[in-house]
Amino acid sequence: AQKVTQAQTEISVVEKEDVTLDCVYETRDTTYYLFWYKQPPSGELVFLIRRNSFDEQNEISGRYSWNFQKSTSSFNFTITASQVVDSAVYFCALSEAIYGQNFVFGPGTRLSVLP
Amino acid sequence: DTAVSQTPKYLVTQMGNDKSIKCEQNLGHDTMYWYKQDSKKFLKIMFSYNNKELIINETVPNRFSPKSPDKAHLNLHINSLELGDSAVYFCASSLGQAQQETQYFGPGTRLLVL
Repeated sequence: AQKVTQAQTEISVVEKEDVTLDCVYETRDTTYYLFWYKQPPSGELVFLIRRNSFDEQNEISGRYSWNFQKSTSSFNFTITASQVVDSAVYFCALSEAIYGQNFVFGPGTRLSVLP
Repeated sequence: DTAVSQTPKYLVTQMGNDKSIKCEQNLGHDTMYWYKQDSKKFLKIMFSYNNKELIINETVPNRFSPKSPDKAHLNLHINSLELGDSAVYFCASSLGQAQQETQYFGPGTRLLVL
């Protein structure tokens, strides 16, 4: 079974629209970490956020916000007032296991923000 | 200052050749990784090294051999390249191997096997 699901393969929005990227994960560990990464067209992978399983507080960083809900095993990412520069593939990742860290990435969501 | 660097950025080669990709990190991290990203953008871990010791070795053909001369370097050597090896290979590093450590990625090496 896939451990990290990003059901939205591709999303297109018009600039200034808000957009939410979904991430659903599966784990039997009680302690785990969730991450979001951005891969712009230039190809590099940029770290955005890390969240541990004991901290369900939502986080806001500028136009970015993250909603972590353990009850639904989701860690969704919202971009407010999207801009063309937000166009990228966004990956959600899960890190479980106490040692021998092993990231499991979701399949990614390609976001296109149109002018 | 580049945190995680990889060379070369692009690599085009013929089937059957042997090639190496180099990775260096100047973050003082103890753990380094290699990932493969296929044409559908799916990212999968290949290897993980902690202080020059192999920690994770996923199901990867033994034509792929990582080498870590010191904890700041993790090189990837590929023997007898096949068409299916064409992908983007990412190196990454983290402070330690614990699950909470954030991994920082290099810019990727785009390998095309003809």
